[in-house]
Amino acid sequence: GDSVTQMEGPVTLSEEAFLTINCTYTATGYPSLFWYVQYPGEGLQLLLKATKADDKGSNKGFEATYRKETTSFHLEKGSVQVSDSAVYFCALSDPSTGNEKLTFGTGTRLTIIP
Amino acid sequence: NAGVMQNPRHLVRRRGQEARLRCSPMKGHSHVYWYRQLPEEGLKFMVYLQKENIIDESGMPKERFSAEFPKEGPSILRIQQVVRGDSAAYFCASSPRPVGNQPQHFGDGTRLSIL
Repeated sequence: GDSVTQMEGPVTLSEEAFLTINCTYTATGYPSLFWYVQYPGEGLQLLLKATKADDKGSNKGFEATYRKETTSFHLEKGSVQVSDSAVYFCALSDPSTGNEKLTFGTGTRLTIIP
Repeated sequence: NAGVMQNPRHLVRRRGQEARLRCSPMKGHSHVYWYRQLPEEGLKFMVYLQKENIIDESGMPKERFSAEFPKEGPSILRIQQVVRGDSAAYFCASSPRPVGNQPQHFGDGTRLSIL
């Protein structure tokens, strides 16, 4: 079945540091890939997405590129801020299943210190 | 706010009681997904519903759990005879179509605690 493997956390960085959170996937079809962010006590918010190979999703300074050859979708940001502290989830949906149910990684808790 | 609305935000039940969780999708969305998040874990898919139909319940426990999405009113996730292991955050998400790369919009969740 489909699965998502995500970099273990927690991750602690200083403000303005470079961020990478690794994500790899296994899917039988041609999935769409997503990064969601969860702030304390809240639901998930879509951060960015990519729907086909070599697509780059970007939002709020975050980027991720759909790499079919390495089945990866790593999240990057050049200069993190304290407000980026949250839990980040990599996810996929496989349209060949007939619906858009999401398969999530276990999440990476990111803490940015001033 | 026209987002996905879940209530209650927090629900406390004793073992053996019933829990009912409600989800009103975004306006214009007729597809609802339920997910469960255990402490310090990712979200796990439970069930996918359209109006009056259960489309995919492959993630639902076989016993005690049921879901519905009636023609009128919110989607309901029902847990009968709750046990401690049901303690989790339950999230609902909605989308306008079944497929087509439409991102799901999530509610803020219901945090269920079993005493």
